[in-house]
Amino acid sequence: DSGVTQTPKHLITATGQRVTLRCSPRSGDLSVYWYQQSLDQGLQFLIQYYNGEERAKGNILERFSAQQFPDLHSELNLSSLELGDSALYFCASSLGQGRVGSEAFFGQGTRLTVV
Amino acid sequence: GEDVEQSLFLSVREGDSSVINCTYTDSSSTYLYWYKQEPGAGLQLLTYIFSNMDMKQDQRLTVLLNKKDKHLSLRIADTQTGDSAIYFCAPTSGGSYIPTFGRGTSLIVHP
Repeated sequence: DSGVTQTPKHLITATGQRVTLRCSPRSGDLSVYWYQQSLDQGLQFLIQYYNGEERAKGNILERFSAQQFPDLHSELNLSSLELGDSALYFCASSLGQGRVGSEAFFGQGTRLTVV
Repeated sequence: GEDVEQSLFLSVREGDSSVINCTYTDSSSTYLYWYKQEPGAGLQLLTYIFSNMDMKQDQRLTVLLNKKDKHLSLRIADTQTGDSAIYFCAPTSGGSYIPTFGRGTSLIVHP
């Protein structure tokens, strides 16, 4: 158990809908990362938050957004869902961003199926 | 950005050593991680090496880093059937400390 908790584990929804994925980082970790894992694209970095602020953006679509709350949990919002958004979404957390404490620990993922 | 290449499959016999190779492009990678993903499961951090190291040993795992050639390898000694999984090489990109993943190598261990 990495200590990173993601809910829900599975989500099935229809095209055009909006969903919210939730991540609770390990206790004390300030940094949260979101990744998308699909068969054709592999594991793609989406976005990083550090202590409530957006720190880095990867291949995140405009239809997707995220935030990190004062209690450090994070949510990834996916809207106007398309079939191609079906994937496993991972959250990871790390203590900080410096040389020490940057090891990223991953949650079990949320499997999103868009039908 | 960082590009990471790995072979897609590796098949070994139980008890043999496995060596999974990875090449990357960003010479400023600071952390270089290895993650393991079992079927239907999340990503488990196996080990990592700092860019100023050549080798790191952790029980059955040995990581070798050739910074000049941007080549990373993971050796698993005495491979067991429980080691069957997908192994991801994930160097961090530049000064961001964000892991960038390869496609993963499926390790198949047969008796």
